[in-house]
Amino acid sequence: NAGVTQTPKFQVLKTGQSMTLQCAQDMNHNSMYWYRQDPGMGLRLIYYSASEGTTDKGEVPNGYNVSRLNKREFSLRLESAAPSQTSVYFCASSEEGTSGRAFTDTQYFGPGTRLTVL
Amino acid sequence: QQQVKQSPQSLIVQKGGIPIINCAYENTAFDYFPWYQQFPGKGPALLIAIRPDVSEKKEGRFTISFNKSAKQFSLHIMDSQPGDSATYFCAASRTGNQFYFGTGTSLTVIP
Repeated sequence: NAGVTQTPKFQVLKTGQSMTLQCAQDMNHNSMYWYRQDPGMGLRLIYYSASEGTTDKGEVPNGYNVSRLNKREFSLRLESAAPSQTSVYFCASSEEGTSGRAFTDTQYFGPGTRLTVL
Repeated sequence: QQQVKQSPQSLIVQKGGIPIINCAYENTAFDYFPWYQQFPGKGPALLIAIRPDVSEKKEGRFTISFNKSAKQFSLHIMDSQPGDSATYFCAASRTGNQFYFGTGTSLTVIP
């Protein structure tokens, strides 16, 4: 049981390049989340998916897109990377029962992807 | 605008000391207040959480004190150990809605 896994662990991009951050969970959780962590800013929610087939914007969605590929996988895409997107990105998942609502159960975080945009 | 304000930014205590980390919020609709612990190179992990119907919650050496009228809550670590050295984040949410995190406190426990 690996929990939440993220790839890659590190990435360096040039301004304007695109990339996709991958996240997978093996806990059969319904909800998944993407956060970014910046010094002095704490964690901020980018996008979330309450259940397979749905995605919603969080606090800081500009410049990002997401895909809930299936129940296990939730990817984050940067179409045209900017230096302001230099950050550590965390994926998380939570069980959520039959409510269909996110944010009601404990969130389990992956180890993070450290992204630098030059 | 920071929804949750956390202090101090960093804290150094001797082994056995009781570090206290404070958080304050403005939104009275918040009804869930978790604390997360993060070790270097790892993702945050839920440590302990409280709802506003109680003023204190203890789990092992970790205690949350909650003051609803002051809109403040704090984390106390009893008999702190070097293994407690980590970054601690408070958060707040209204049930079923996104979490708002504090800016984090880096705790160092000196042997």
